[in-house]
Amino acid sequence: KQEVTQIPAALSVPEGENLVLNCSFTDSAIYNLQWFRQDPGKGLTSLLLIQSSQREQTSGRLNASLDKSSGRSTLYIAASQPGDSATYLCASPGRGNTGFQKLVFGTGTRLLVSP
Amino acid sequence: EPEVTQTPSHQVTQMGQEVILRCVPISNHLYFYWYRQILGQKVEFLVSFYNNEISEKSEIFDDQFSVERPDGSNFTLKIRSTKLEDSAMYFCASTRQGGGEQFFGPGTRLTVL
Repeated sequence: KQEVTQIPAALSVPEGENLVLNCSFTDSAIYNLQWFRQDPGKGLTSLLLIQSSQREQTSGRLNASLDKSSGRSTLYIAASQPGDSATYLCASPGRGNTGFQKLVFGTGTRLLVSP
Repeated sequence: EPEVTQTPSHQVTQMGQEVILRCVPISNHLYFYWYRQILGQKVEFLVSFYNNEISEKSEIFDDQFSVERPDGSNFTLKIRSTKLEDSAMYFCASTRQGGGEQFFGPGTRLTVL
């Protein structure tokens, strides 16, 4: 059964810093891993999807890596801005009776970037 | 850019009442999901739906819950007799293929009094 954890639970950085968010998963037979952003009281915005065959995926200032053997993914945010303040969630499809479908979520990292 | 929409954004109901949460998935997507997030907790899977039937459901999705795709665009979640512990944010999601990137709606905040 896939379990996903994220550390740290909260992170506070000054504007301009590069930072790394961590995500760990228990089932190394991962299908893919998706990173989301959630603003307070809002929905989930998909940031990046990294397939099991990929090691990295980039979108703008964001870079996600995947290491199946160690059961880890990282989300790197370059040159952080106050607008990056949000909760970041990682999720991976858990194996169900119809294949990989349902997403299993981590608890998230709450990021605060101060000006 | 196509997006998943949900209505209403906020629903307040009395315990024991029935509620229907509505979603319009992205038009060419084939797999549909409901998740919920109780305040301060993880996002939890409720149910997946494909080819007009439930493909998987969690332990949370008991007999009080049902889903339906009444026409070619809407996807609904019905809670027959709401309980206080059903208070949560409910998210609809869709994807083009099983295991593919899931796109989420803005959520419906359900408050049961």
